[in-house]
Parts: sequence; C-alpha cells; structure tokens
Amino acid sequence: GEDVEQSLFLSVREGDSSVINCTYTDSSSTYLYWYKQEPGAGLQLLTYIFSNMDMKQDQRLTVLLNKKDKHLSLRIADTQTGDSAIYFCAESKASGTYKYIFGTGTRLKVLA
Amino acid sequence: DAGVTQSPTHLIKTRGQHVTLRCSPISGHKSVSWYQQVLGQGPQFIFQYYEKEERGRGNFPDRFSARQFPNYSSELNVNALLLGDSALYLCASRPGQENQPQHFGDGTRLSIL
Repeated sequence: GEDVEQSLFLSVREGDSSVINCTYTDSSSTYLYWYKQEPGAGLQLLTYIFSNMDMKQDQRLTVLLNKKDKHLSLRIADTQTGDSAIYFCAESKASGTYKYIFGTGTRLKVLA
Repeated sequence: DAGVTQSPTHLIKTRGQHVTLRCSPISGHKSVSWYQQVLGQGPQFIFQYYEKEERGRGNFPDRFSARQFPNYSSELNVNALLLGDSALYLCASRPGQENQPQHFGDGTRLSIL
C-alpha cells in the first residue's frame, strides 16, 4: 500500500536539536525526501537519501534511514526560529512516473 | 536562474466554472508534475508529463486534465469546479524521466465559492 505517516506537531527551543520522524510502507521506494513548506509558499527541497544509504549529512541536517523498520528521520541541529515551518517527507516510486507519496506533514514550532 | 513559476498565484472561482492553471518548469527540465494540496494535508499526485506525453495520472476524476507544450510548460485544467477543489495546486519539474528530485513552484491557491 501507499502510506506515509508523520507526527503532526513538534515544538523545540531555539538552539536545541529537532528530530522529525516519518514511516513509510512501500519497500520498493528508491528515494526518500524531506521538503520544507513555509506559510503561503510552495515546497522547498531540503535533502534526500537513496534507499541503499543509512545516513546523509548536509550542514545542519542529518537524515537517518532504517530500511528494516521503514523509518526515516530528519535531525536539524541548532534549530533557529527561521526553521519554523511544516516539514514533509516523501517517497518516490521505484519505476514509472516516480510520483511522490507525501506524508501529512509535521509542523515545527521553534520557541525563542 | 528562475525556479518553477506558476500563474496565477491566487484565483477565486464559483462552483461549476472551469479553471486553467499554468506552470513553467526550470530551464532545461522536460518533466512536469502536478499535485493538489488540500489545507492541512500533504500534496497528492495528479499528473506527470514528459516530452508532451502523459506518463502518469493519480486518482482524480476526468474533470481534471492537463497538457504539456513544446517549450515544456504545462497547463492544468479543471472543469465543473466543486467546493472540494479548493486547494493549493503545485507544479514540480525535474530534468527528465529518471528518478531525480523534483523542484516545486510556489503554487496557485484556488478558492471555490
């Protein structure tokens, strides 16, 4: 089946680390993505990981992938108020259109 | 370089009308996809076009149609609008048909009265 799940809300203090979690069901997915959406805007690609990788680090962002449990996480180090947004994880199908299946999004609120 | 551009940014229509939304992909990108994002939810796949041909379609009624032009820009058409069509419509592009990250525009917010 096609289902990507995320927790709805996360609140952290400025300077702390944020960890946003995602579970997916399609083991044939090849890429997994993290997008950020600010109010009134489209989706900004933050990072992505190929399914044969366990971890990817990009500046303040760290992505961890547990294929066995179909679990993906995004860690934001030194979270800033500008990181407040909705974060979506998405999986792309292994073939055909490579359409994305998105989660419902996690709203991150950073407290000053 | 310009990213994915969509027009208009906002649109208000009434039930039963039709609407045309437009998208210009990133220069050099030949694949365009359309997604519908209802308030409070993640985007849902509608269509994917590559080289002017439909390559994929999501679970949307026939009231939804799209096309891609020789310059790789695209239009999404929705007929007989329903209240439930109110959403943010997002366009995304990527270089080709391969499995690569897509880049999204800022969307068209469609409100149906």
